[in-house]
Order: sequence, then structure tokens, then C-alpha cells
Amino acid sequence: AQSVTQLGSHVSVSEGALVLLRCNYSSSVPPYLFWYVQYPNQGLQLLLKYTSAATLVKGINGFEAEFKKSETSFHLTKPSAHMSDAAEYFCAVSGPGYSTLTFGKGTMLLVSP
Amino acid sequence: DGGITQSPKYLFRKEGQNVTLSCEQNLNHDAMYWYRQDPGQGLRLIYYSQIVNDFQKGDIAEGYSVSREKKESFPLTVTSAQKNPTAFYLCASSIQGANYGYTFGSGTRLTVV
Repeated sequence: AQSVTQLGSHVSVSEGALVLLRCNYSSSVPPYLFWYVQYPNQGLQLLLKYTSAATLVKGINGFEAEFKKSETSFHLTKPSAHMSDAAEYFCAVSGPGYSTLTFGKGTMLLVSP
Repeated sequence: DGGITQSPKYLFRKEGQNVTLSCEQNLNHDAMYWYRQDPGQGLRLIYYSQIVNDFQKGDIAEGYSVSREKKESFPLTVTSAQKNPTAFYLCASSIQGANYGYTFGSGTRLTVV
């Protein structure tokens, strides 16, 4: 069985501040991990993915995430927030032989000027 | 450009009616998925299909039905048995299984009136 926990349903930052969105997973097999972003009334867009290569994964729009097996975490970071980063972010997990992704409940990122 | 098209973007249903949500992809992906999104609950899997003429129930299949007669198409019918159908519905596809991640459509917002 697999599961994902995203700590914090809402995170607020100021423009220019560090963005940190937390994701912890549970998986009985080596995980594949994903971060997606969703803007209002739109579908989800892939930000980045970890598939057992480098533990530090760089994605689009300046985001990156680090896979830490000992902590079962895959937190998403960005050094400097932009107003355009305001959206909902979802972490998801899969694994070898799995047919579907399991998603967390999402974290809404609010960016203030 | 390849992608997934969901239609309509907004749909209104009267009590007791069945409605069908369309999902078409031209990515040549084998697998297709339907998720339901409600505020604060993340994405919940309704049905998925890995090959033509075959599909599996997800976590919340009751009150929904699907078909997969063509590789490109995976329509979802919301039946009158679904007691609380008001939600945002997302269709996705993947090359094969979930390990490469999904490509999402832009969603259909269904409202019961």
C-alpha cells in the first residue's frame, strides 16, 4: 500500500521568500515520486519527478525537490517566491508495477506582495 | 500539439439525470484515468483503463461507469445513483502504468441543479 501526507493545507509566504512544501510518503516498494501544480479551474501540470536516479531533482519554474529515504520525504522548495507561484501543489507516489498514482490532499501556496 | 481534451468545461445536471463527460487524447498513451476532486480532499480515483476494452474500478467507482472502445477515448458517465456528483472531474493519461507520471486534461466542473 502507498500513501502520501502533505503537511499544511495552506502555506503563506512573501514574495521573494523561500518556498518549502512538505511531502512524506509511505511505500512498500521503491517509490517514484511526483510534484504537480494546479492553477484555479485547470488540470494538473507536472513540476518534477523522482524515479531512482539523482536524489536532488530539478523541475520547471525554479522548483526542486530532494528525495530522503531515511526520512521518507520529498519536500518541494524554491529559493524565491513569485506572485505567479500562487497555486495548489500536489505530491504523488507510485512504484514499480503500480498502475496508478496516489495523491496527497494538496497544499495551497499563497504569495503576498 | 498532442494533449488531452475534456469537454464540456462546465456541465449542469438535474436530479435523476445521467450525464457523460468526454475525454480524448492524441498522445498515443495506453493508460487513461478518471479522478474526482473536491476541496480539501485531493484527487480520488474513480476508474482507470490500461488497454482498450478493459478497465478497473478505483476507490470511489459507485455511481459511475466508463467505457474504453478506442485507445483515444475514455468517457465517464455519472449516473443518477451517484448521490453527490457536484465536483471537478479530471481525466489523465500515461504511456504505460503510472511510473512516468500522468498528463492531465483541463477538467470538467459538474454541478447538480
